[in-house]
Amino acid sequence: EDQVTQSPEALRLQEGESSSLNCSYTVSGLRGLFWYRQDPGKGPEFLFTLYSAGEEKEKERLKATLTKKESFLHITAPKPEDSATYLCAVQATTDKLIFGTGTRLQVFP
Amino acid sequence: DAGITQSPRHKVTETGTPVTLRCHQTENHRYMYWYRQDPGHGLRLIHYSYGVKDTDKGEVSDGYSVSRSKTEDFLLTLESATSSQTSVYFCAMGLAVNTGELFFGEGSRLTVL
Repeated sequence: EDQVTQSPEALRLQEGESSSLNCSYTVSGLRGLFWYRQDPGKGPEFLFTLYSAGEEKEKERLKATLTKKESFLHITAPKPEDSATYLCAVQATTDKLIFGTGTRLQVFP
Repeated sequence: DAGITQSPRHKVTETGTPVTLRCHQTENHRYMYWYRQDPGHGLRLIHYSYGVKDTDKGEVSDGYSVSRSKTEDFLLTLESATSSQTSVYFCAMGLAVNTGELFFGEGSRLTVL
């Protein structure tokens, strides 16, 4: 069964304390992996698409990487404004898009 | 200058009443989607549309219907709301039918008492 698991569920960081969020997946075939940011009371905002193992994408303090079984969202020197829930979604070769339950990140000054 | 808006943003209704949520986009995107988001679950697809009057079911379509009479509007209807349909509903649009790069609205929080 196709599945996406994000960990940890919640993460508290001090401002400037770098860390990583994990998205592990089991799908019959990967067409793409997508990262989103969701602020409270808002809709998800698209961040990155990764298509193949070894691929990396960067945006400001965020870097997403992909292996054959998981993706990491690395946050370097986070700021309080990076606080949000980060969602991972995987698209299988069946074209079904499966979302994880997210990691809620809180960055304290 | 949001390209996709939802209405209403909040609604409280009673079991058995019909409810319609509206999604309006100004980007002329062909593909539109309705998702629901519940604690402990990832976003789950209810219905999607690949053009005017062309719609199809997602993974949790029971109890929901949709209509798309114009490119810019995608309506989600709960014919007879149940408490299990209490959720936050998100509309999204995409450039391709099978894309994971979606642009979401801000959500409609529905409470069914």
